[in-house]
Amino acid sequence: DQQVKQNSPSLSVQEGRISILNCDYTNSMFDYFLWYKKYPAEGPTFLISISSIKDKNEDGRFTVFLNKSAKHLSLHIVPSQPGDSAVYFCAASAVQGAQKLVFGQGTRLTINP
Amino acid sequence: GAVVSQHPSRVICKSGTSVKIECRSLDFQATTMFWYRQFPKQSLMLMATSNEGSKATYEQGVEKDKFLINHASLTLSTLTVTSAHPEDSSFYICSATQRGGVYNEQFFGPGTRLTVL
Repeated sequence: DQQVKQNSPSLSVQEGRISILNCDYTNSMFDYFLWYKKYPAEGPTFLISISSIKDKNEDGRFTVFLNKSAKHLSLHIVPSQPGDSAVYFCAASAVQGAQKLVFGQGTRLTINP
Repeated sequence: GAVVSQHPSRVICKSGTSVKIECRSLDFQATTMFWYRQFPKQSLMLMATSNEGSKATYEQGVEKDKFLINHASLTLSTLTVTSAHPEDSSFYICSATQRGGVYNEQFFGPGTRLTVL
């Protein structure tokens, strides 16, 4: 049972344009969501997070949007840069979940020069 | 700050042997450490959660006698894969949460690539 889903395994975007990565979840108990960036053979690095009491959080070029009614979140990167090429994972957790994170399958983002 | 290291980064072993992987929080005290496994082109799957000084909590389907976890201090957790078999070949990643840190923010180690021949 995949509670967190990233339905696009890959995404290709032109440098300077906006990258939009999507994530859906099924567990209504999730109340905190995170995005991680991962390079091959490395551990994920934290990018940005959002609590369920908010619908938007912004940090520099990265913005995360949360639509609770649709159980959907998205990560916007603008402008996209070649260094953004990596695999992006969304993750979710619940207050009752003892800080456990449930990860999506990841989306491989490629930024073309 | 909030750096997590893993050792070794890569290990190749023969089937039937045991392998120990260390996870250290270098500049903070980790209240909780997590162990994940990632198969190629798949998501990170949580294997177990460990708190310093107590037994690890394993996720459903993870054999606790095969994947031994020891969390001896607030900065060190070890995962021992006992009697490893080729199907145990995977990328093992640990993470740690910081005492007093941002809710649910986990800091990940660089991972250990295990290949069992």
